Amino acid sequence: KQEVTQIPAALSVPEGENLVLNCSFTDSAIYNLQWFRQDPGKGLTSLLLIQSSQREQTSGRLNASLDKSSGRSTLYIAASQPGDSATYLCAVSQETYKYIFGTGTRLKVLA
Amino acid sequence: DTEVTQTPKHLVMGMTNKKSLKCEQHMGHRAMYWYKQKAKKPPELMFVYSYEKLSINESVPSRFSPECPNSSLLNLHLHALQPEDSALYLCASSQSGQAYGYTFGSGTRLTVV
Repeated sequence: KQEVTQIPAALSVPEGENLVLNCSFTDSAIYNLQWFRQDPGKGLTSLLLIQSSQREQTSGRLNASLDKSSGRSTLYIAASQPGDSATYLCAVSQETYKYIFGTGTRLKVLA
Repeated sequence: DTEVTQTPKHLVMGMTNKKSLKCEQHMGHRAMYWYKQKAKKPPELMFVYSYEKLSINESVPSRFSPECPNSSLLNLHLHALQPEDSALYLCASSQSGQAYGYTFGSGTRLTVV
């Protein structure tokens, strides 16, 4: 059974730092992996989608990498800002129509 | 239009009430989803509709009844809920198939009293 783990569970950093969020999954047979951002009490905002054949995707200050063989993905946030404060979730797709979500990393960027 | 719209944003209902949650998208996505999310937990899949047909029901209690009247609209009918059903209910949509990511709505915060 696929398990998705995100470490750390919570992170507090000063503004301007570059940071890395980690996502690990136990079964490498995935179709794709998606990173989401969730503000408190709100819906999920899609950040990046990486297909199983891809190694990385970039959008602005965000870069996500995927190493399927080791069951890992990282989300790199450059020059963090207070507006980046949110919970970040990764999700892996292993069956059609089913994403398995990680437990999330709660990020706080201090001004 | 690249959004999934959910209404209402907040709902308070008694245990004997009947209410409905609504979800709408105009992106031409043929798969639509209901998720339930409790505080500080990841979303949990409830139902999946593909081409307006129920594809997945994750053993959800019958007091939750989904409906997909057309390719753009998804409803979740609620009846005789329990206080533990209080949660954020999220709707999502995607293209049909394995390669596509999801677009989520902003959710309905449901409180059962």
